[in-house]
Amino acid sequence: NFMLTQPHSVSESPGKTVTISCTRSSGSIASNYVQWYQQRPGSAPTTVIYEDNQRPSGVPDRFSGSIDSSSNSASLTISGLKTEDEADYYCQSYDSSNYVFGTGTKVTVL
Amino acid sequence: QVTLRESGPALVKPTQTLTLTCTFSGFSLSTSGMCVSWIRQPPGKALEWLALIDWDDDKYYSTSLKTRLTISKDTSKNQVVLTMTNMDPVDTATYYCARIQGGYGDPFDYWGQGTLVTVSS
Repeated sequence: NFMLTQPHSVSESPGKTVTISCTRSSGSIASNYVQWYQQRPGSAPTTVIYEDNQRPSGVPDRFSGSIDSSSNSASLTISGLKTEDEADYYCQSYDSSNYVFGTGTKVTVL
Repeated sequence: QVTLRESGPALVKPTQTLTLTCTFSGFSLSTSGMCVSWIRQPPGKALEWLALIDWDDDKYYSTSLKTRLTISKDTSKNQVVLTMTNMDPVDTATYYCARIQGGYGDPFDYWGQGTLVTVSS
């Protein structure tokens, strides 16, 4: 199995931009789609990005996703940060037999 | 409207077997592409994928837990059942079920609210 490693936490002021990385330990990040989930305290996760860079309907375009084969990582960028974006964020991918979640990143809006 | 709801015991003793039921509505697990998966989250920790069953009754299990897990479905009742044997305090977690619409590999698009299971004697 591979692992997905994320920074433990990031913080930024309202209106600014944050980027969360998700590094795959083995195998190519481009070989399987990456999803990103937002989880607010006490709630189930919800999808903010699927298939590397697609936004579900209802997710604002302040959220964007990308992958970088050179660093074997995916990234979630939140621009125009709002207090409502304060949450935990998890990347997720899979291989032929397992789904894998990232280690999670707590986003704090100062 | 798609909904999923987890049910099961809130407290189990070490070495016991946990049985959780996911009851869903708004879709059929006999429809091509539909899957239901189980994910857990220990308090204050990350999400961990456990198992998945698809419309064709194919089953996938976490490599690290597969010897302890069994997933099954009852299409007529719109239910998916997960059993986990030999429970340990480290298995204390909120257990979620979630839907996948496009077959194995697609994202989770709807989640249940989760059910907290505590393992303690």
